[in-house]
Amino acid sequence: DQQVKQNSPSLSVQEGRISILNCDYTNSMFDYFLWYKKYPAEGPTFLISISSIKDKNEDGRFTVFLNKSAKHLSLHIVPSQPGDSAVYFCAAAKGAENAGGTSYGKLTFGQGTILTVHP
Amino acid sequence: DGGITQSPKYLFRKEGQNVTLSCEQNLNHDAMYWYRQDPGQGLRLIYYSQIVNDFQKGDIAEGYSVSREKKESFPLTVTSAQKNPTAFYLCASSMSRLSYNEQFFGPGTRLTVL
Repeated sequence: DQQVKQNSPSLSVQEGRISILNCDYTNSMFDYFLWYKKYPAEGPTFLISISSIKDKNEDGRFTVFLNKSAKHLSLHIVPSQPGDSAVYFCAAAKGAENAGGTSYGKLTFGQGTILTVHP
Repeated sequence: DGGITQSPKYLFRKEGQNVTLSCEQNLNHDAMYWYRQDPGQGLRLIYYSQIVNDFQKGDIAEGYSVSREKKESFPLTVTSAQKNPTAFYLCASSMSRLSYNEQFFGPGTRLTVL
């Protein structure tokens, strides 16, 4: 059962334009969401995250939008650059309250979307 | 520099042999994780450890084993019981089990079973 889905295996965008990567989830218990970027033969690197108490988080060229009612999040990259070409994974986590605070650790990842930005 | 190291980068194994993948971190992170990446399937969690001497099965633990004797080390053994071991294996760590911090990944080990 794929709880986090990225339905577009690939996306091709012209340099300078906007890239929009989408992600859907089914588990309403997820309350923290992240985007990772991955180059071939390397480990993923963290890009940006958003808590379920927000609907938007921005960091430079990267903005993540969260629509909780639709269980949908998206990553916008503006303007897109050739160096942004990589695989993008969305991931989700659910918090668990315990005596020491809230524990999140375990992430559930989507399948990834290959972004290609053409010069 | 702080970070996560995985060795080796490429590993070849004969069918029926056990093999151990190394993962070391000097970030002083409590939690560590092992993922497997297959084409079109994203990252799937094999095992995770939130503290030394403790670990839990992830979504696809069958055929794998781990240990967490030291905070900085979380080796993964791929046993002969793992039916499809050829994959790209990623180790990650995060600061604390008590509050959320993003996971940092190592460079990965590509295992090929001949």
